[in-house]
Order: sequence, then C-alpha cells, then structure tokens
Amino acid sequence: DIQMTQSPSSLSASVGDRVTITCQASQDISNYLNWYQQKPGGAPKLLIYDASSLVRGVPSRFSGSGSGTTFIFTIINLQPEDFATYYCQQQDKIPITFGQGTKLELK
Amino acid sequence: QVQLQESGPRLVRPSQTLSLTCSVSGDSITNGDNYWSWIRQHPERGLEWIGFVHYSGITYYNPSLKSRVVISVDTSKNQFSLRLNSVTAADTAVYYCERDPTMATAGGRFDYWGQGIPVTVSS
Repeated sequence: DIQMTQSPSSLSASVGDRVTITCQASQDISNYLNWYQQKPGGAPKLLIYDASSLVRGVPSRFSGSGSGTTFIFTIINLQPEDFATYYCQQQDKIPITFGQGTKLELK
Repeated sequence: QVQLQESGPRLVRPSQTLSLTCSVSGDSITNGDNYWSWIRQHPERGLEWIGFVHYSGITYYNPSLKSRVVISVDTSKNQFSLRLNSVTAADTAVYYCERDPTMATAGGRFDYWGQGIPVTVSS
C-alpha cells in the first residue's frame, strides 16, 4: 500500500495567517493527489484534486502544488471557517489511501 | 444538487453482517462516468477506503477487506449497498458513501459524500 504522511499533525494559527501542510507519499504518485477538509461532525469535503486543481466554488485562498512524492497544501489569509482537519489522499494505486490528517486550530 | 444518504443498523453484533445502503439523488446510479464508493473513519485509524462499484458490475475492494466485503448497486432504486461480514469491534466506525466521477481515469476522487452513519459492533 502507498503510505501518505502528513506534517504537521496539528497546527495553531490566527485569522489572516498563511499556513502550509506537507504530504509525503511512500512512492511516486505523479499528480494523483487530492486534498479534503473535514469539520467536526461532518463529512470530508473535496477542495483540490490532481494536486493543484481547485474544485469549483472553493475559495482561491486554498491552493495545492507538487508532484511525485511531495505535495504542499496552502491556505493564505486564514478565515474563521477554515479551522478544520485537512487530509491528503492518493488515487494512483489501489488501495486508495489517506494521510492521517492535520488539525488546524485557532491560536 | 447531488445528495447521498446512508441508512442501516447502527448496532451490529460481533460475527454478524454489517449492511448499509446509500440512496442517491441528483444523479443516476447508471451514470457511466461514476464509481460509487464506501469509506469508513475510525477514531484512531483515520480514513479507510473500503471499495467502489460501477453500475456495470465492476468492483474494486481494499485488499485488507476483500474477503469480507461486497458492494452492489440497485438501479431500480438508485441505491448502492455495502455488506461486510464477520464483523468485530475493529469494524466500529463512521461509514460514508461517496460519488467518484473519475471512472474514466481509474477512479479515486470523491466529490460528493453522505453525512455518514456511525456503526458500533458490540454484543
């Protein structure tokens, strides 16, 4: 199975900050990497697909980059509604696998 | 607007079969562009992909669960279902159903999710 490792596991930030989350794949997955946001009690929500493509309707303060084994997820100008848990997920090989999540908390 | 809704028992006895149904609205289960998928979320072990089905009958399962799982579609009801047999406490999780619109590129992107249904395995 392809292992997805996110760092950090948790992150404290303030409204207006810029934050980055890294996702490392255990092998080359090209750009087959998606990012999700999950709020407490809710289902994950797809934000970015194919490493850098923004889902329609998702604010442009969210972005993704990377290919191969290292991927970056960035939020600029953090808003109150952005405090949530974020997951990366690879779709290059079955079984599809997720990172362990990064919890973004209000400082 | 595409909507998915899970239903089924929230308590299952050990060694029994977990059966869940996902009702789809806003899209047809026979839309050939889609896989229909199940994912579960354990409090400690995170998100785990269970498998997906295409209306044509094509299925892919997580090898870790393959011997115990069946995912199927009911085109007459616009639903798809999950059956997981021989359950243990380790199968306690929130179960989600999803749409995956990337059948043409081998699947794995989940753009619509149900709200999730918590299932406990306990005697």
